[in-house]
Amino acid sequence: GAVVSQHPSWVICKSGTSVKIECRSLDFQATTMFWYRQFPKQSLMLMATSNEGSKATYEQGVEKDKFLINHASLTLSTLTVTSAHPEDSSFYICSARGQGDTGELFFGEGSRLTVL
Amino acid sequence: AQTVTQSQPEMSVQEAETVTLSCTYDTSESDYYLFWYKQPPSRQMILVIRQEAYKQQNATENRFSVNFQKAAKSFSLKISDSQLGDAAMYFCAYRSPAYSGNTPLVFGKGTRLSVIA
Repeated sequence: GAVVSQHPSWVICKSGTSVKIECRSLDFQATTMFWYRQFPKQSLMLMATSNEGSKATYEQGVEKDKFLINHASLTLSTLTVTSAHPEDSSFYICSARGQGDTGELFFGEGSRLTVL
Repeated sequence: AQTVTQSQPEMSVQEAETVTLSCTYDTSESDYYLFWYKQPPSRQMILVIRQEAYKQQNATENRFSVNFQKAAKSFSLKISDSQLGDAAMYFCAYRSPAYSGNTPLVFGKGTRLSVIA
């Protein structure tokens, strides 16, 4: 149980285009999803927290107009990188918290974004 | 805010030997969770072991065990009988209790473990 699926696993796009990354909880309802960013050989940095049906809470320094997060249902959260630029190239990982929070968060497989 | 420190950027161990990865954290909370995650080259985050702060007994999962020293705010991971498949990046992580709200994981910078055949 507690499976989180992230799609796409990797994407290449041209500078100036927008890219959407989906994070789905397959067998549980995720009341909260967390989006992380990871640069090569670095740790995971929290970008934002999204709650179903409400606006996401962004960490300091994260541009909310650049990284649009939508959590429209209890099983789906999306991260849209708008007008992507090469510096947005990174690994993006989502993690989900279930309704019966036991402490553990469940991770998607991650999405590698390369902006040319 | 809570912080997690992993002071060993890289470690290596001979196959079948034992290695210990260090982690310290800073918090003013008395109740919390601690985790060790493994991130192989695929970059999928894999939970290795978890510890609830209120439990004095150290968590164990097969070859993996922790030494949890609450007063010292230390949470080290011991890997016994190391295998080639253990080679990965290991992250120590802290999480505030669930009842305090939507709390994320706070990660250390990671320790890259190499296993030598």
